[in-house]
Amino acid sequence: GENVEQHPSTLSVQEGDSAVIKCTYSDSASNYFPWYKQELGKRPQLIIDIRSNVGEKKDQRIAVTLNKTAKHFSLHITETQPEDSAVYFCAASWDNQGGKLIFGQGTELSVKP
Amino acid sequence: NAGVTQTPKFQVLKTGQSMTLQCAQDMNHNSMYWYRQDPGMGLRLIYYSASEGTTDKGEVPNGYNVSRLNKREFSLRLESAAPSQTSVYFCASSVQGNYGYTFGSGTRLTVV
Repeated sequence: GENVEQHPSTLSVQEGDSAVIKCTYSDSASNYFPWYKQELGKRPQLIIDIRSNVGEKKDQRIAVTLNKTAKHFSLHITETQPEDSAVYFCAASWDNQGGKLIFGQGTELSVKP
Repeated sequence: NAGVTQTPKFQVLKTGQSMTLQCAQDMNHNSMYWYRQDPGMGLRLIYYSASEGTTDKGEVPNGYNVSRLNKREFSLRLESAAPSQTSVYFCASSVQGNYGYTFGSGTRLTVV
C-alpha cells in the first residue's frame, strides 16, 4: 500500500545553520505534499505544502522541493533558530482518496544556541 | 472560532472498557479524520470521513468504530479497550480532500 519514508529520525544543528529533511513516497499518483511542525505536547500544525504541478515553494526561511521522477520531496529550513526545535512530519495524499494523508515517521529537530 | 475541539483531553481506561472520543469542528469543513500517534511511528490513520454521510477505514482500523454524526461532528469509539490502544489520538478536519488539515489538541488515552 501507500507509504511515506522520512529521514533522518533525529537532526541536530547549530543556530544559524540550515536543516534538510527528506521524504520519499511510494504511490506515483500522490499529488499533495504538506509538512507539519509539532512542538512538545502540542498538536501538529501545517507549515508549508506543495502540489505536484510545482517543483519548489518558499515561505520566508522555509522551502519545500519536489522531485516527481524520483518520488521524493524535502523540507529546507535556513538560518535555524532555537524556536525551530520540534518534530517535523511530511505527508502525502492523492485525488479520489478522501484527502487522507499518509504521514512519515517524523524528524526531531534540535537547534542548539 | 474554536477550530477543532476534542474531548476528553485525558482518559484512563481499564482493559475491556468502552469509550467514545468526541470531535467537533466549526470551520464548515467537509472532511474529518482520526489519527493515533505513537512514539517513532508518526501519525497513523484510523478512520476518515471524506464528506458527511461517508466513512472509510484507514491504516489501523481494527478495534475502532466511527460515526459521522453530522457535518460538524465525528466520533471515535473503542468498544473493548486493549493496552495496545494506549496512544495519543488526534482528530483533524480539512475543507475537502487534498488540502491541509487543522488538528484538534489531542486525547491522551491510557489503557491499563
